[in-house]
Amino acid sequence: KQEVTQIPAALSVPEGENLVLNCSFTDSAIYNLQWFRQDPGKGLTSLLLIQSSQREQTSGRLNASLDKSSGRSTLYIAASQPGDSATYLCAVTGAGSYQLTFGKGTKLSVIP
Amino acid sequence: DAGVIQSPRHEVTEMGQEVTLRCKPISGHDYLFWYRQTMMRGLELLIYFNNNVPIDDSGMPEDRFSAKMPNASFSTLKIQPSEPRDSAVYFCASTSPRGYGYTFGSGTRLTVV
Repeated sequence: KQEVTQIPAALSVPEGENLVLNCSFTDSAIYNLQWFRQDPGKGLTSLLLIQSSQREQTSGRLNASLDKSSGRSTLYIAASQPGDSATYLCAVTGAGSYQLTFGKGTKLSVIP
Repeated sequence: DAGVIQSPRHEVTEMGQEVTLRCKPISGHDYLFWYRQTMMRGLELLIYFNNNVPIDDSGMPEDRFSAKMPNASFSTLKIQPSEPRDSAVYFCASTSPRGYGYTFGSGTRLTVV
């Protein structure tokens, strides 16, 4: 059974700092990996989708990498802003299934 | 596109009552998923449909839960009878053929008292 782990569970950084969020998964037979953002009391907003054949995806200040063989992904946020404060969730789709398996998220606080 | 639409946004009900949650997926998406989010367990898949047919309902906690998708633009998740431990946020999501990512609705926050 696929398990997804996100470390750290919470992170607090000063505004302007670059930061990395980590995600690991136990079964490397994935189809894709997706990073989401969730604001308090809100739904999930998709940030980046990486196919299993890709190594990274970039969107603005966000860069996500994927090392499928080692079961790891990172989300890099450059020049963090208070508006980046949210919970970031990593999710994988198994190669043999259509469901997303989620980590429990990293709660990010960017201090002005 | 208005995205995945869920209703109601909030639901407060008494234990033992029937609760129906509704979802309208993105037009053209042929996969629909129901997830539940709690502090303790995070996001868990309850059931998913492909072309209106239930494919995997192994995540449905017990017989009190049922889901239907009568057509491509509508799905319901019903809890009967509801219990306090069902209190959670329920999300609906949809996707087109694999590889294009998933879009989530805003969720329904259910409180059973």
